[in-house]
Formats: sequence, C-alpha cells, structure tokens
Amino acid sequence: DTEVTQTPKHLVMGMTNKKSLKCEQHMGHRAMYWYKQKAKKPPELMFVYSYEKLSINESVPSRFSPECPNSSLLNLHLHALQPEDSALYLCASSQDAGKKFFGPGTRLTVL
Amino acid sequence: AQKITQTQPGMFVQEKEAVTLDCTYDTSDQSYGLFWYKQPSSGEMIFLIYQGSYDEQNATEGRYSLNFQKARKSANLVISASQLGDSAMYFCAMILGGFQGAQKLVFGQGTRLTINP
Repeated sequence: DTEVTQTPKHLVMGMTNKKSLKCEQHMGHRAMYWYKQKAKKPPELMFVYSYEKLSINESVPSRFSPECPNSSLLNLHLHALQPEDSALYLCASSQDAGKKFFGPGTRLTVL
Repeated sequence: AQKITQTQPGMFVQEKEAVTLDCTYDTSDQSYGLFWYKQPSSGEMIFLIYQGSYDEQNATEGRYSLNFQKARKSANLVISASQLGDSAMYFCAMILGGFQGAQKLVFGQGTRLTINP
C-alpha cells in the first residue's frame, strides 16, 4: 500500500461549525504533514509530526488544531474558521530522503 | 533562507515535443534535495523525480529527467515526447539538511503546462 488517503474529499462548513479532516497512511512513515494550498499558489506547510509528536508549527492560527492519534493517522480539527481559510488541504507522509507521498487533498469551503 | 524560483508561469507545447521547465534555487547549505511534483486539476501532488545535492548523475525517471547544474543552482525538468496527459501544474521543491525524519519542503510558484494536440 503506497498511498495516502484523505477524507472527506470536499467539505463545506459555516464559520461556527466544528469539523475534522482525516489523513491515513499504512507505509510505516514516521513523518506526516499538513499543507494548505490556495488556488494558483504552491502548497504552504502548516504542521509537521515526527514520530507522533508535533515538531513544526508554522505559526498557524489556533482555529486549526492538529492531532496524531497514532503513527498511521493524522487529523486536522477545524473550529470557527474564516472564509479566507477556504483552500485545498493536503496531507503528506515521508520516511527518509526522497519522496513525500501526498494524499488527494480535501477541498474546504468556509461560508 | 532557501528559495525556489520558477520563472515560467505558463507554457504551451505541441504534443510529442520535448519540454523544459525551469527551476533555480538559492541556499547556502551544502546538503539539500530537489524535487519535481505534478499537480493535475484533481489536486493530488504526484512525485516525479528527485535529485540529491551530492548526486553526480542527473536523475531520470522514464520520460522525466532532471538537468542538474549545481554551480548555476538550477534543476530544470525535461519531459521527453510530451503527452496530452502531461497538462498540469508543475512544482519544483527543495528540502535542506539531514534526510532523517521530518523535513520542510519549500515549493516554487509553479508552472502551468498545457499540451496541445
């Protein structure tokens, strides 16, 4: 199994909602990442987990809350988002030098 | 700080022609890795090719090759015999330092490639 899966594929939420994005990989990778990508822009790193511990937080607002319940799962909890948070959210995993495996992404729309 | 520059916002190429996508990078580190990813309209980032800073040979993966010129700090992607399915956004990216555990991947602005029949 050489893929990263993400659910849901699409999500529409209001500014007062609480929702979660999920990411899963079964490649034994010890590093997992959340990226945010706005239209026609490159992905921007949000969080990095290494061995299930948060190792990098790129000054992301607290309305985004990551969680790594185990080595295969990565969640991103969303609360009180703003319309400008609408974007494609990409999850990735890696083990060592070389490729990062990306998931298909979740397209988030905040109304 | 490290930086990746892709100077071609868009490119249009005839099917079956070869295409070169430009990428230059800026870092003072001696140890780094360079990547190319393809992103179709579906959104998924697809890994294409990787070049380590100490690799002496240019990387190749099927129709993709990376023209690595270390002194010029360039890492251009060459796609031979382009196909309609190659139409997508292409990102050049870089990681720095030790290659164990988590690394921060820095992306260029991307080049949108369109293959015409």
